[in-house]
Amino acid sequence: SQQGEEDPQALSIQEGENATMNCSYKTSINNLQWYRQNSGRGLVHLILIRSNEREKHSGRLRVTLDTSKKSSSLLITASRAADTASYFCATYRPYNNNDMRFGAGTRLTVKP
Amino acid sequence: NAGVTQTPKFQVLKTGQSMTLQCAQDMNHNSMYWYRQDPGMGLRLIYYSASEGTTDKGEVPNGYNVSRLNKREFSLRLESAAPSQTSVYFCASSEARGEAFFGQGTRLTVV
Repeated sequence: SQQGEEDPQALSIQEGENATMNCSYKTSINNLQWYRQNSGRGLVHLILIRSNEREKHSGRLRVTLDTSKKSSSLLITASRAADTASYFCATYRPYNNNDMRFGAGTRLTVKP
Repeated sequence: NAGVTQTPKFQVLKTGQSMTLQCAQDMNHNSMYWYRQDPGMGLRLIYYSASEGTTDKGEVPNGYNVSRLNKREFSLRLESAAPSQTSVYFCASSEARGEAFFGQGTRLTVV
């Protein structure tokens, strides 16, 4: 089964607003990653947060990780129409450096 | 620097036909992956390879075979295609537990 589950499944906001997506996972992790997928394209890596980190920033992206709740959130601030895409979280299965599983994703639509 | 290259980009097969999807990476990564993505769903891992000469089953391996030809190339074979294998297939590579780099995908339709 998939390791991570994103919430919500779909999110629609206006340009300039913030978008928050959540990811829950089932087992212990070494790190958690977020990816973006534009329609019909391959996934692009956004950010990696390690299990001993609680928060990480990259430009307009802010990722938090709560290992006690087995959850992570991705915040996109001051969203733009170009942020319209699907966003996925991914984790490696426990004790396996190469088995990476993805959640079902959040479809974000940013209206101009 | 091309990254991860998949061929073909599109393919239509008849039920029962076979084909091989090709994937090559130029980043000297040890790990390579094949995923499938169905409409409205995330990526599901078919097979992965931790290093040249090794392959392991992922979440949905049935109906597929893989070959890690060398460090650069990882191919996915459908021996007898079925309509349930209609999907978009993505190849990816990474270092262990690291950021994955994806190809642009192969859209496969089995009729």
